[in-house]
Amino acid sequence: AQSVAQPEDQVNVAEGNPLTVKCTYSVSGNPYLFWYVQYPNRGLQFLLKYITGDNLVKGSYGFEAEFNKSQTSFHLKKPSALVSDSALYFCAVRDVANAGKSTFGDGTTLTVKP
Amino acid sequence: SQTIHQWPATLVQPVGSPLSLECTVEGTSNPNLYWYRQAAGRGLQLLFYSVGIGQISSEVPQNLSASRPQDRQFILSSKKLLLSDSGFYLCAWSEMGLLSDTQYFGPGTRLTVL
Repeated sequence: AQSVAQPEDQVNVAEGNPLTVKCTYSVSGNPYLFWYVQYPNRGLQFLLKYITGDNLVKGSYGFEAEFNKSQTSFHLKKPSALVSDSALYFCAVRDVANAGKSTFGDGTTLTVKP
Repeated sequence: SQTIHQWPATLVQPVGSPLSLECTVEGTSNPNLYWYRQAAGRGLQLLFYSVGIGQISSEVPQNLSASRPQDRQFILSSKKLLLSDSGFYLCAWSEMGLLSDTQYFGPGTRLTVL
């Protein structure tokens, strides 16, 4: 069975500082990894994904994520946080061996303070 | 471009009443379709997914059901709502046959069962 863990319920950073939102995963085959963002009372929006290739993936709004196979991690990063980045972030994994269904983490609330 | 619609946006229903939530996708053909429930603004629970008309897979046994009467229409139903059915319901789609593909989410329906 596949699983995703987001070990931090809440991450607080000051505006202008770098941010990291952590994600680790477990799958039986090769993982397809995704990050989504959700603003209050809205649907999820796609940020970026890792399928294959370069371990560093760049996505929307200046976010990037690094795939680390040995540590089974896919942490989301941004060099300089904005107040408008404050939202709920979800990591997700899709596994070919599991009929392509996605498993989502429980989410991490990011708060960027001015 | 592709667009996903959900309605209604909010719904307040008494316990024991029926439910029908609708999701439609525009701008694509033969999409994979998904219903998720999000409780208390946290993790997503996959309820149903469909790879084609009339093809529904249920992930969690409960008093909800799903139907796909047309290629780009996905309906979530219940004959008798329970208090525990309250939550934020999200519909999503992805490209047919691409297990690595991104899921795109609708704006969601906030359901409150009283």
